This record gives sequence, structure tokens and C-alpha cells, in this order.
Amino acid sequence: DVKVTQSSRYLVKRTGEKVFLECVQDMDHENMFWYRQDPGLGLRLIYFSYDVKMKEKGDIPEGYSVSREKKERFSLILESASTNQTSMYLCASSSGHPNEQFFGPGTRLTVL
Amino acid sequence: GEDVEQSLFLSVREGDSSVINCTYTDSSSTYLYWYKQEPGAGLQLLTYIFSNMDMKQDQRLTVLLNKKDKHLSLRIADTQTGDSAIYFCAEGSGGYNKLIFGAGTRLAVHP
Repeated sequence: DVKVTQSSRYLVKRTGEKVFLECVQDMDHENMFWYRQDPGLGLRLIYFSYDVKMKEKGDIPEGYSVSREKKERFSLILESASTNQTSMYLCASSSGHPNEQFFGPGTRLTVL
Repeated sequence: GEDVEQSLFLSVREGDSSVINCTYTDSSSTYLYWYKQEPGAGLQLLTYIFSNMDMKQDQRLTVLLNKKDKHLSLRIADTQTGDSAIYFCAEGSGGYNKLIFGAGTRLAVHP
């Protein structure tokens, strides 16, 4: 069964802290994605990666960076967390046809 | 740029049909998707339709696509309490399997 796992379900951090969110997929997918989900706004793409060490900005990359050193792992980094980054973060992976993305359970991040 | 719009809430009685509507702007969309998100969980693909199709049926789910009006709908027959969730419409036309999601429709099923 396909699986995307995220390192934490809930996370509480303080303003200014560096935050790492980890995502691992076991499907050998080339493409991986990080979204944030906010009520009334749906899912907004932060960054995606189409290969190891390759990354592209999504619609809202400001304040975030990513790392993909291995095919199965895609990390989202908040260099200096701010309260407006309090949100649900969802990771997904996909491979080829027909664009189906498989999602992890999400990490609910609260920045105080 | 591309945009996908949905109404935010829908309330139906158990046993009735639910219809969730979505409009999109990118006429080059290859596939259109419906995802379901249950409380506290990630998104799960419900069904998808290829852009050259008008309709797709899968058990209690019927997807209708009107390409001229760029309108997509999801009908759930005999709606059950277990269908209570947020339903996301998404269109896929970008490279690297990117998807554009709507804001999500929260379906509430009441007895």
C-alpha cells in the first residue's frame, strides 16, 4: 500500500525558531510537494521537487526553503518561524500519469 | 493564472443526493480531480475525469464535466454520515504533476 509519512502530527514552536518538517514516501516517486492548508484558502503550493536536489518555487515560497537529498525524503524548512506560518502543512508525492498525488496525514504547526 | 472555485459549505440530509460544484479557468486542463479530506487526515483521491469525457460514474459517485462552461460537479448518491468531509476539486495541467486546488467544500450530513 502506498504511503506518505510526515514526521509530526502536531508541532508547537516559538517565533524565530528554525523548524524542520520531514516527509518520506515509499513509492519511488519522482515528484514531491509541500502545501499549506488554511480555512477558506484551500491548498497552496509552497515548493515542489521533481528530482533529487532539484526544487521549484510554488505559489507562496516566501519564508520557506526545502531540501531533497534523497529521492524518498523531502524536507520543508522554516528558517525563522513567524506567527503567520501557523497552519496545516501537507506533503504529497506523485509519479507520472495521471497526476494523482498521494498525501501524508499533515502536520499542524502552531507558532507562538 | 489558473483558478479553481468552489462553494465553501453544503448541508444535506442523510439518504439524499449531494452535488458539489466547481469551476475552473484553465482550458488546457488534462485531468480534473476530486479529493476527500476527513477530519484530521490528509487528502485522498476520490475520482478523476479526463478532459475529453463528459461523465464518469463510480458506484455512488458521478462526475459531470461541462468543458464549454469549465464546470465540474460531483454527485454523491444516498449520502451517508461517513461522507461528511471536505471535498476538493483540482485541475492538473502544469508540468511535474502540479495540481491547482479549490478552497474545498465542507459537506455536512445530518439525520
